[in-house]
Amino acid sequence: AQSVTQLGSHVSVSEGALVLLRCNYSSSVPPYLFWYVQYPNQGLQLLLKYTSAATLVKGINGFEAEFKKSETSFHLTKPSAHMSDAAEYFCALSFLTSYGKLTFGQGTILTVHP
Amino acid sequence: GAVVSQHPSRVICKSGTSVKIECRSLDFQATTMFWYRQFPKQSLMLMATSNEGSKATYEQGVEKDKFLINHASLTLSTLTVTSAHPEDSSFYICSARGSPRERGFTDTQYFGPGTRLTVL
Repeated sequence: AQSVTQLGSHVSVSEGALVLLRCNYSSSVPPYLFWYVQYPNQGLQLLLKYTSAATLVKGINGFEAEFKKSETSFHLTKPSAHMSDAAEYFCALSFLTSYGKLTFGQGTILTVHP
Repeated sequence: GAVVSQHPSRVICKSGTSVKIECRSLDFQATTMFWYRQFPKQSLMLMATSNEGSKATYEQGVEKDKFLINHASLTLSTLTVTSAHPEDSSFYICSARGSPRERGFTDTQYFGPGTRLTVL
């Protein structure tokens, strides 16, 4: 069965510092991978997705993620954190044959300090 | 981008009553909608997959008679929590996926803003 593991339930960075949110996956077939952001009491917004094209994926708000098959990872990065990046981030995967059904990681709360 | 709405955004009800939550895709046709629940400080757990015109597929452990799902049109799915109890209090989120037959299909799920259900 497939799974998604996000390392670190809380990550804290200073404004302007590098943001690194870790995501590892387990699956027997090539996955599609996603990062979503959730602000308090809101639904999820898609940041970026990997669907077997370029391994380095650029998303909105300056975020990007790199698919590394050998490491089964899809870590999310942003060179310089903004206060507005404070939110909860979810990594998720699906498959071509899963008809869109997503499996989510546990989530990582990002705190940005001034 | 595609927009998905949910109504209501918050609902408080008494134990034993039923609550209906609507999920609408506003600018695209959603052949598939998904219903998730999210407990405080936890991830989203898929409850069921709803395909237009057919019965919903429930995940293991989700009571289909308690969580009634109807997907009667390409833009509307409803989740009814029947005989709600305090343990059903949660944040319910829907998402919608466009039709593979539509031009520009990207197989992306678009999420609604969620419905906070509190059962007293």
